[in-house]
Amino acid sequence: SQTIHQWPATLVQPVGSPLSLECTVEGTSNPNLYWYRQAAGRGLQLLFYSVGIGQISSEVPQNLSASRPQDRQFILSSKKLLLSDSGFYLCAWSDRDWHEKLFFGSGTQLSVL
Amino acid sequence: EDKVVQSPLSLVVHEGDTVTLNCSYEVTNFRSLLWYKQEKKAPTFLFMLTSSGIEKKSGRLSSILDKKELFSILNITATQTGDSAVYLCAEFLSGDKIIFGKGTRLHILP
Repeated sequence: SQTIHQWPATLVQPVGSPLSLECTVEGTSNPNLYWYRQAAGRGLQLLFYSVGIGQISSEVPQNLSASRPQDRQFILSSKKLLLSDSGFYLCAWSDRDWHEKLFFGSGTQLSVL
Repeated sequence: EDKVVQSPLSLVVHEGDTVTLNCSYEVTNFRSLLWYKQEKKAPTFLFMLTSSGIEKKSGRLSSILDKKELFSILNITATQTGDSAVYLCAEFLSGDKIIFGKGTRLHILP
Protein backbone atom coordinates (compact mmCIF):
# COMPACT_ATOMS: atom_id res chain seq x y z
CA SER A 1 0.00 0.00 0.00
CA GLN A 2 1.02 3.58 -0.53
CA THR A 3 2.22 5.78 2.31
CA ILE A 4 3.48 9.32 2.61
CA HIS A 5 6.04 10.47 5.14
CA GLN A 6 6.49 14.10 6.07
CA TRP A 7 8.87 15.40 8.68
CA PRO A 8 9.45 17.00 11.05
CA ALA A 9 6.02 17.35 12.66
CA THR A 10 6.96 20.53 14.49
CA LEU A 11 9.72 23.03 13.86
CA VAL A 12 10.70 26.27 15.57
CA GLN A 13 13.24 28.34 13.66
CA PRO A 14 14.68 31.84 14.10
CA VAL A 15 14.20 34.48 11.44
CA GLY A 16 16.94 34.30 8.84
CA SER A 17 17.70 30.62 9.36
CA PRO A 18 17.45 28.04 6.53
CA LEU A 19 14.64 25.54 6.10
CA SER A 20 14.38 22.06 4.69
CA LEU A 21 11.16 20.05 4.86
CA GLU A 22 11.15 16.61 3.33
CA CYS A 23 8.34 14.48 1.98
CA THR A 24 8.63 10.96 0.60
CA VAL A 25 6.05 8.62 -0.88
CA GLU A 26 6.22 4.84 -0.85
CA GLY A 27 4.35 2.22 -2.83
CA THR A 28 3.79 4.13 -6.05
CA SER A 29 5.79 5.45 -8.96
CA ASN A 30 5.76 8.73 -10.85
CA PRO A 31 3.26 10.45 -8.53
CA ASN A 32 2.21 14.08 -8.73
CA LEU A 33 3.60 15.88 -5.68
CA TYR A 34 2.34 19.04 -4.01
CA TRP A 35 3.35 21.47 -1.24
CA TYR A 36 0.63 23.53 0.45
CA ARG A 37 0.72 26.00 3.32
CA GLN A 38 -2.21 26.58 5.66
CA ALA A 39 -2.28 29.69 7.83
CA ALA A 40 -4.50 29.65 10.91
CA GLY A 41 -8.13 29.81 9.88
CA ARG A 42 -7.29 29.83 6.18
CA GLY A 43 -7.54 27.38 3.34
CA LEU A 44 -4.70 25.57 1.64
CA GLN A 45 -2.39 27.80 -0.37
CA LEU A 46 -0.62 25.99 -3.20
CA LEU A 47 3.13 26.65 -3.08
CA PHE A 48 4.67 24.18 -5.54
CA TYR A 49 3.68 21.11 -7.50
CA SER A 50 5.55 18.60 -9.61
CA VAL A 51 4.33 16.19 -12.28
CA GLY A 52 7.74 14.54 -12.72
CA ILE A 53 11.39 14.56 -11.69
CA GLY A 54 12.94 17.94 -12.32
CA GLN A 55 9.55 19.50 -13.16
CA ILE A 56 8.57 22.09 -10.55
CA SER A 57 5.73 24.57 -10.95
CA SER A 58 5.86 27.51 -8.58
CA GLU A 59 2.83 29.43 -7.41
CA VAL A 60 4.06 31.80 -4.71
CA PRO A 61 7.84 31.43 -4.72
CA GLN A 62 9.03 34.46 -2.79
CA ASN A 63 11.79 33.08 -0.56
CA LEU A 64 10.77 29.43 -0.81
CA SER A 65 11.94 26.84 -3.31
CA ALA A 66 11.17 23.19 -4.02
CA SER A 67 13.11 20.32 -5.51
CA ARG A 68 12.35 16.78 -6.58
CA PRO A 69 15.69 14.98 -6.55
CA GLN A 70 14.07 11.54 -6.79
CA ASP A 71 10.77 10.28 -8.17
CA ARG A 72 9.09 10.00 -4.80
CA GLN A 73 10.89 12.74 -2.86
CA PHE A 74 9.79 16.36 -2.62
CA ILE A 75 11.76 18.93 -0.64
CA LEU A 76 10.69 22.42 0.41
CA SER A 77 13.53 24.84 1.20
CA SER A 78 14.37 28.35 2.16
CA LYS A 79 17.73 30.05 2.52
CA LYS A 80 16.45 32.64 4.99
CA LEU A 81 13.15 32.31 6.80
CA LEU A 82 10.79 35.24 7.33
CA LEU A 83 8.21 35.67 10.08
CA SER A 84 5.53 35.36 7.43
CA ASP A 85 6.73 31.83 6.60
CA SER A 86 5.12 30.54 9.79
CA GLY A 87 2.29 28.14 9.13
CA PHE A 88 1.21 24.57 8.68
CA TYR A 89 2.89 22.91 5.69
CA LEU A 90 1.28 19.95 4.01
CA CYS A 91 2.76 17.65 1.41
CA ALA A 92 0.45 15.62 -0.81
CA TRP A 93 0.65 13.12 -3.67
CA SER A 94 -1.72 11.76 -6.27
CA ASP A 95 -1.59 8.67 -8.42
CA ARG A 96 -1.07 8.90 -12.18
CA ASP A 97 -4.36 7.05 -12.71
CA TRP A 98 -6.39 9.39 -10.48
CA HIS A 99 -4.78 12.80 -10.42
CA GLU A 100 -7.56 14.52 -8.51
CA LYS A 101 -7.43 12.39 -5.38
CA LEU A 102 -4.76 13.81 -3.12
CA PHE A 103 -3.28 11.91 -0.19
CA PHE A 104 -1.84 14.23 2.40
CA GLY A 105 1.00 13.85 4.86
CA SER A 106 0.50 14.68 8.52
CA GLY A 107 1.98 18.15 8.10
CA THR A 108 4.72 20.29 9.63
CA GLN A 109 3.85 23.12 12.00
CA LEU A 110 6.53 25.76 11.41
CA SER A 111 6.97 28.67 13.80
CA VAL A 112 9.44 31.35 12.80
CA LEU A 113 10.45 33.52 15.75
CA GLU B 1 -8.27 37.37 -5.98
CA ASP B 2 -9.53 33.99 -4.81
CA LYS B 3 -10.49 31.61 -7.59
CA VAL B 4 -12.39 29.24 -5.33
CA VAL B 5 -14.81 30.91 -2.93
CA GLN B 6 -16.57 29.00 -0.19
CA SER B 7 -19.48 30.07 1.98
CA PRO B 8 -20.21 30.28 4.76
CA LEU B 9 -16.73 30.41 6.31
CA SER B 10 -18.09 28.93 9.52
CA LEU B 11 -21.30 27.27 10.57
CA VAL B 12 -22.67 26.00 13.86
CA VAL B 13 -25.72 23.71 13.85
CA HIS B 14 -27.31 21.14 16.12
CA GLU B 15 -27.02 17.42 15.68
CA GLY B 16 -29.67 16.16 13.30
CA ASP B 17 -29.79 19.34 11.23
CA THR B 18 -29.11 19.38 7.49
CA VAL B 19 -26.40 21.68 6.19
CA THR B 20 -25.53 23.01 2.75
CA LEU B 21 -22.04 24.24 1.99
CA ASN B 22 -21.37 26.35 -1.07
CA CYS B 23 -18.46 26.65 -3.45
CA SER B 24 -18.05 28.88 -6.49
CA TYR B 25 -15.16 28.61 -8.92
CA GLU B 26 -13.67 30.08 -12.08
CA VAL B 27 -13.95 28.39 -15.45
CA THR B 28 -10.43 29.02 -16.79
CA ASN B 29 -8.63 25.68 -17.27
CA PHE B 30 -11.29 23.92 -15.19
CA ARG B 31 -11.38 20.13 -15.32
CA SER B 32 -13.16 19.03 -12.15
CA LEU B 33 -14.41 20.18 -8.75
CA LEU B 34 -13.24 18.44 -5.60
CA TRP B 35 -14.42 18.25 -1.99
CA TYR B 36 -12.22 17.31 0.95
CA LYS B 37 -12.78 16.99 4.71
CA GLN B 38 -10.13 18.14 7.19
CA GLU B 39 -10.73 16.92 10.72
CA LYS B 40 -7.32 17.35 12.30
CA LYS B 41 -4.31 17.72 10.07
CA ALA B 42 -4.52 15.79 6.80
CA PRO B 43 -7.53 16.47 4.54
CA THR B 44 -9.26 13.42 3.12
CA PHE B 45 -10.97 13.11 -0.25
CA LEU B 46 -14.76 13.15 -0.43
CA PHE B 47 -15.95 13.75 -4.00
CA MET B 48 -14.88 14.57 -7.53
CA LEU B 49 -17.43 16.25 -9.81
CA THR B 50 -16.99 16.72 -13.52
CA SER B 51 -20.51 16.79 -14.98
CA SER B 52 -23.39 19.14 -14.24
CA GLY B 53 -26.45 17.84 -12.50
CA ILE B 54 -25.11 14.43 -11.55
CA GLU B 55 -25.23 13.95 -7.80
CA LYS B 56 -22.43 12.15 -6.05
CA LYS B 57 -23.50 10.48 -2.82
CA SER B 58 -21.75 8.79 0.07
CA GLY B 59 -23.91 7.96 3.05
CA ARG B 60 -25.32 11.20 4.43
CA LEU B 61 -23.08 13.35 2.24
CA SER B 62 -23.95 14.37 -1.28
CA SER B 63 -22.66 16.89 -3.77
CA ILE B 64 -23.64 18.33 -7.10
CA LEU B 65 -22.04 20.59 -9.70
CA ASP B 66 -23.57 23.36 -11.81
CA LYS B 67 -21.16 24.15 -14.64
CA LYS B 68 -23.39 26.86 -16.06
CA GLU B 69 -23.48 28.89 -12.85
CA LEU B 70 -19.99 27.73 -11.79
CA PHE B 71 -20.82 26.45 -8.34
CA SER B 72 -21.11 23.30 -6.30
CA ILE B 73 -22.86 22.41 -3.09
CA LEU B 74 -22.10 19.82 -0.45
CA ASN B 75 -25.06 18.60 1.57
CA ILE B 76 -24.88 16.76 4.86
CA THR B 77 -28.14 15.35 6.20
CA ALA B 78 -28.86 14.22 9.78
CA THR B 79 -25.59 15.72 10.97
CA GLN B 80 -23.62 14.05 13.73
CA THR B 81 -20.91 15.44 16.01
CA GLY B 82 -18.38 13.46 13.99
CA ASP B 83 -19.17 15.64 10.99
CA SER B 84 -17.48 18.57 12.71
CA ALA B 85 -14.54 19.50 10.49
CA VAL B 86 -13.31 21.96 7.91
CA TYR B 87 -14.75 21.20 4.47
CA LEU B 88 -12.54 22.23 1.60
CA CYS B 89 -13.55 22.80 -1.99
CA ALA B 90 -10.93 22.71 -4.73
CA GLU B 91 -10.55 23.10 -8.49
CA PHE B 92 -8.57 20.59 -10.50
CA LEU B 93 -7.09 22.53 -13.40
CA SER B 94 -5.18 21.78 -16.57
CA GLY B 95 -1.61 20.75 -15.86
CA ASP B 96 -2.75 18.97 -12.67
CA LYS B 97 -2.82 22.16 -10.62
CA ILE B 98 -5.17 21.95 -7.60
CA ILE B 99 -6.41 25.17 -5.98
CA PHE B 100 -8.32 25.14 -2.69
CA GLY B 101 -10.79 27.56 -1.19
CA LYS B 102 -10.57 28.86 2.38
CA GLY B 103 -12.87 26.16 3.65
CA THR B 104 -16.03 26.07 5.73
CA ARG B 105 -15.54 25.29 9.41
CA LEU B 106 -18.54 23.22 10.51
CA HIS B 107 -19.28 22.63 14.17
CA ILE B 108 -22.06 20.26 15.21
CA LEU B 109 -23.51 20.78 18.68
CA PRO B 110 -24.78 17.68 20.51
